[in-house]
Amino acid sequence: DTGVSQNPRHKITKRGQNVTFRCDPISEHNRLYWYRQTLGQGPEFLTYFQNEAQLEKSRLLSDRFSAERPKGSFSTLEIQRTEQGDSAMYLCASSLRGQGAGYTFGSGTRLTVV
Amino acid sequence: DQQVKQNSPSLSVQEGRISILNCDYTNSMFDYFLWYKKYPAEGPTFLISISSIKDKNEDGRFTVFLNKSAKHLSLHIVPSQPGDSAVYFCAASARLGSQGNLIFGKGTKLSVKP
Repeated sequence: DTGVSQNPRHKITKRGQNVTFRCDPISEHNRLYWYRQTLGQGPEFLTYFQNEAQLEKSRLLSDRFSAERPKGSFSTLEIQRTEQGDSAMYLCASSLRGQGAGYTFGSGTRLTVV
Repeated sequence: DQQVKQNSPSLSVQEGRISILNCDYTNSMFDYFLWYKKYPAEGPTFLISISSIKDKNEDGRFTVFLNKSAKHLSLHIVPSQPGDSAVYFCAASARLGSQGNLIFGKGTKLSVKP
């Protein structure tokens, strides 16, 4: 297993377009998290899944954002009608419940909305 | 209002000396704390953690100290090496070992000079 994989690494899109990012977690990890990081800030929690169930969503996750994790494997994060304020690094992480040793993060998808 | 604060945006240390990175938190419900290291163009990497039932945890060159009464934790790196140069994030969780979502500080950029 090569860790948490995120695609694409970079995405440039025009304002108003829809974008979708993919995250492939470590295969035996049942929890998957999405975070967003803007310049000069730490990662901010967006949402997390335990298996295929979305258990928690941040108020940062507006109705333009939707995340799925079909069959409890990979996950997608879609942003509809992108705005310039959506420009950020979107980080995915996975963990094994009760591991207590922290998440394993992917390298992120950098979104630029022009 | 930030619940996890890293008040030093940057720190510069000579190789071989001690690096001390500080973190303060405001939420008394936090019971699990972690440090992550981040290199450019990579996701954060878990470094070390500590639960609220301890006041110290050590792993090789890295030691985390927790002062619950002061709501303060610190990461000590000794001896510091040039490869330690990175951004260090402090994170906290309110659910011990359950891997609830993490609240991150803004990070401290450590530069270790040869």
